[in-house]
Amino acid sequence: SQQGEEDPQALSIQEGENATMNCSYKTSINNLQWYRQNSGRGLVHLILIRSNEREKHSGRLRVTLDTSKKSSSLLITASRAADTASYFCATDADGNNRLAFGKGNQVVVIP
Amino acid sequence: DAGVTQSPTHLIKTRGQQVTLRCSPISGHKSVSWYQQVLGQGPQFIFQYYEKEERGRGNFPDRFSARQFPNYSSELNVNALLLGDSALYLCASSGTPDGGELFFGEGSRLTVL
Repeated sequence: SQQGEEDPQALSIQEGENATMNCSYKTSINNLQWYRQNSGRGLVHLILIRSNEREKHSGRLRVTLDTSKKSSSLLITASRAADTASYFCATDADGNNRLAFGKGNQVVVIP
Repeated sequence: DAGVTQSPTHLIKTRGQQVTLRCSPISGHKSVSWYQQVLGQGPQFIFQYYEKEERGRGNFPDRFSARQFPNYSSELNVNALLLGDSALYLCASSGTPDGGELFFGEGSRLTVL
């Protein structure tokens, strides 16, 4: 069943601006992951944050995790047209790699 | 190195037919998972296999079955197709069965008429 719920669902920004997406979930987790999907193709792993971590960076990506609020955010800084994609958060409740995905966030970066 | 490969990329079936989708994991990966992604939704977990054993099954009817072969490739079978089975079927592999990132293939897009 769907676990993560991203907010907002759709985002349109200018190139160079920052994009922030939020994800909430219902049950306890072992880790939370963010994936990107271009036009209905395969998903690409962006970042994994474990339940005992609060913040993680990877290049222009910053992910935060608040387990007390059961929420996570993904920040993309200095966005580029190539960042146009759908972004999904996925929770792994037991550390067994069985992911529960949210509905996704569609991000459009206007050149 | 080749990533996760899936075949076929697109296929069209009619209601009641059966379909077999194939997946080859990244070399050295022993864990394969299958996900169904209906248009406009996030992927939903169907199966997970590790070392040829089923390790997990999502909330899907018995019409869905899968297996993993000695070379760690995998097949997903769906019998008695329904219109609602139309979706992108994604295969993912991982180096370990626990707590790591998944590497996804490009998917097999199934249309049921």
